Amino acid sequence: GESVGLHLPTLSVQEGDNSIINCAYSNSASDYFIWYKQESGKGPQFIIDIRSNMDKRQGQRVTVLLNKTVKHLSLQIAATQPGDSAVYFCAENTGFQKLVFGTGTRLLVSP
Amino acid sequence: DAMVIQNPRYQVTQFGKPVTLSCSQTLNHNVMYWYQQKSSQAPKLLFHYYDKDFNNEADTPDNFQSRRPNTSFCFLDIRSPGLGDAAMYLCATSRDTGAEAFFGQGTRLTVV
Repeated sequence: GESVGLHLPTLSVQEGDNSIINCAYSNSASDYFIWYKQESGKGPQFIIDIRSNMDKRQGQRVTVLLNKTVKHLSLQIAATQPGDSAVYFCAENTGFQKLVFGTGTRLLVSP
Repeated sequence: DAMVIQNPRYQVTQFGKPVTLSCSQTLNHNVMYWYQQKSSQAPKLLFHYYDKDFNNEADTPDNFQSRRPNTSFCFLDIRSPGLGDAAMYLCATSRDTGAEAFFGQGTRLTVV
């Protein structure tokens, strides 16, 4: 079956540190991946995406890395801020019109 | 400006009483998704429409139905809500498969 999972349920960092959130996926046919940020009581918010023909993509303070060999992607947040505190999900487009979400990692940023 | 709008934000319904949640979009996207999200869990896909084509997930209970009367609107009908159906229900749209999905703010359903 299809599954997208995360290694760590909670990540605690200090303000200003860099954060790395990891995600493993199992469907080798997946060709598109998205990272979402979800704050309490709100819908998921798009952060960054990457297609399977790339291994790295950068945005503002965020970088996504994709390693297709081991079916792993990561989200790096530079200079983490208290406003980054949220739950982060990776999502996988399996090619069957499905967007499947991983378990989620809660990021806690302390001042 | 909100592009995917879900109404209401909070819904309380009685056990067994049919309830409908609504979603509208201003993006003119082809695909509309409904997800169920329980506390501290990932959103779980219930079904989606690609234009008028309905795609149900294999493990979505028959209690959950959906309608998409036009491009802009999509409804989630729960025919006989049980206590286990209490959750956040998220609507999302995307231009096409393999494209970014935009989410609404969700409707939190309470079953009493």
